[in-house]
Amino acid sequence: KQEVTQIPAALSVPEGENLVLNCSFTDSAIYNLQWFRQDPGKGLTSLLLIQSSQREQTSGRLNASLDKSSGRSTLYIAASQPGDSATYLCAVVQGGKLIFGQGTELSVKP
Amino acid sequence: DAGVTQSPTHLIKTRGQQVTLRCSPKSGHDTVSWYQQALGQGPQFIFQYYEEEERQRGNFPDRFSGHQFPNYSSELNVNALLLGDSALYLCASSLTDLFEQYFGPGTRLTVT
Repeated sequence: KQEVTQIPAALSVPEGENLVLNCSFTDSAIYNLQWFRQDPGKGLTSLLLIQSSQREQTSGRLNASLDKSSGRSTLYIAASQPGDSATYLCAVVQGGKLIFGQGTELSVKP
Repeated sequence: DAGVTQSPTHLIKTRGQQVTLRCSPKSGHDTVSWYQQALGQGPQFIFQYYEEEERQRGNFPDRFSGHQFPNYSSELNVNALLLGDSALYLCASSLTDLFEQYFGPGTRLTVT
């Protein structure tokens, strides 16, 4: 059974710092991996999608990597801003459905 | 182009009642999936609809049922509500089940 784990559960950093969020999964037979952002009480916004054949994807200040063999993905956020404060969720696609981690709650202090 | 829309935004029901939540997929998408997100948790897969059929189902009881209409919109029905059904219900649409999934704003269900 696929299990997705995100570490840390919460993170607080000062504005301007570069940071890394971690995601691990137990079964490497995934189709792709998505990173999402969720603001309190809101829906999910897709940030990056990495196909299983890819190693990384970039969008603006965000870079996500994928290492299927080790069951790991990282989301790198450069030059963090207070507006980046949110919960970040990673999810693997397996069997046509998304399997989510618990999320990392990020707080960026001005 | 409207994204995924869900209604209602919020809902308060009493234990034992029944509820219906609605979802309209992003234009051009044919697959709708439903997820339940309890407070502080990641979303959990409920079921997925494609071509008006339930294609697969997560670990949820039969009290949870759904439907997909010819225009690809979908409903989630929950019978005999329990306090533990209180959650944010998220709808996601995609083109088939393998492509990027787009989420709606969710429906916040509170069962008292």
